[in-house]
Amino acid sequence: AQKITQTQPGMFVQEKEAVTLDCTYDTSDQSYGLFWYKQPSSGEMIFLIYQGSYDEQNATEGRYSLNFQKARKSANLVISASQLGDSAMYFCAMSRHEGGKLIFGQGTELSVKP
Amino acid sequence: KAGVTQTPRYLIKTRGQQVTLSCSPISGHRSVSWYQQTPGQGLQFLFEYFSETQRNKGNFPGRFSGRQFSNSRSEMNVSTLELGDSALYLCASSSTTNSGRSYEQYFGPGTRLTVT
Repeated sequence: AQKITQTQPGMFVQEKEAVTLDCTYDTSDQSYGLFWYKQPSSGEMIFLIYQGSYDEQNATEGRYSLNFQKARKSANLVISASQLGDSAMYFCAMSRHEGGKLIFGQGTELSVKP
Repeated sequence: KAGVTQTPRYLIKTRGQQVTLSCSPISGHRSVSWYQQTPGQGLQFLFEYFSETQRNKGNFPGRFSGRQFSNSRSEMNVSTLELGDSALYLCASSSTTNSGRSYEQYFGPGTRLTVT
């Protein structure tokens, strides 16, 4: 069975600084996908970044990068130059190779301080 | 391109009633998934539909059902509502390859269901 663990229930970061949100996963699959989503207080889940298990390079999308360490089964999200609008819940998720069903972690609440 | 839309956005029902939630995916997306989000259980997968067929199913009782239409729009139904069904119900759609492999999922704003 697949499992996602996010050990940081809440985090604070100063505006303009970088922050790393931790995510570890467990799966017996050889091929899988890893995702990060942002959920503001409005409730909508916003897709941020994707990493395939066979991708050799870490994924990047603007200020977001995914630090993928396959041997350690970790997929940490790095947000550079934090902005006040980054304050939200962040969820790490994974799927099997064919996609579809997402397994989510419990989330990390990020607060950006001015 | 319009995003995923869900109706209604808010719903209040009484225990024992049934409810139907609707989801319109992004144009061209053929895979639609449903999730339940509660403070206690977090985000849990309900089911996924692809080309009008249920492809994956989560661990929910049979009171939870869904369907997908030929235009990829999807509905989920909850019968005999219980207080514990109060939650945010999120629908997500994704594009797929010809073989049916789906990519990242894009979520709608959700339907907040309150059961009293």
